[in-house]
Amino acid sequence: EVQLVESGGGLVQPGGSLRLSCAASGFTLSDHWMTWVRQAPGKGLEWVANIKQDGSEAYYGDSVKGRFIIARDNVRNSVYLQMNSLRVEDTAVYYCTRICGVWWFDPWGQGTLVTVSS
Amino acid sequence: DIQMTQSPSSLSASVGDRVTITCQASQDIKNYLNWYQLKPGKAPKLLIYGASSLQSGVPSRFSGGGSGTYFTFTISTLQPEDIATYYCQHYDDLPWSFGQGTKVEV
Repeated sequence: EVQLVESGGGLVQPGGSLRLSCAASGFTLSDHWMTWVRQAPGKGLEWVANIKQDGSEAYYGDSVKGRFIIARDNVRNSVYLQMNSLRVEDTAVYYCTRICGVWWFDPWGQGTLVTVSS
Repeated sequence: DIQMTQSPSSLSASVGDRVTITCQASQDIKNYLNWYQLKPGKAPKLLIYGASSLQSGVPSRFSGGGSGTYFTFTISTLQPEDIATYYCQHYDDLPWSFGQGTKVEV
């Protein structure tokens, strides 16, 4: 079964850092682009970042560019999101998802909640 | 950046009803559009990709259509388990973006 499981969320103060992890199983991670998407409380979905199969390319949404870094370790079957200089508006459930075909997200993990608050 | 305008933001319908949601893009995105279903506490689910292709395992009462700037998503016969929020998403060019969502209630 194809599965994605996020971890690493929690409460952090503004200006702090947090590293999210996404454990992939049931498929060959190195075959796929991977993505992080977030949903702030009461808000819609927002694309955060993409990373290419070999990690050679990464792209970011404007709201996180320069603060977040997406990375992957295909040997450990994991994708990461290093979040720095966190802001209150980064509070959200963060989902890890696999990119299939050209280009859609399937499947998604259950998400991990990040709360940025003093 | 391409903006996605989804409507309505919410709707109330009865079991068995036909439900239609629309999504408009601020520029031509060909058929580069997906639809997702979100339920509280559950992983989001891909329903439709490429504007009209039904994802494997998704019931045939779900369908999508359109191209260019105007797209539709239809549930032909609403079921109780379809209570959820639905989002369109384009992938024409980065940054990818989603519509604001449509909450479907009974």
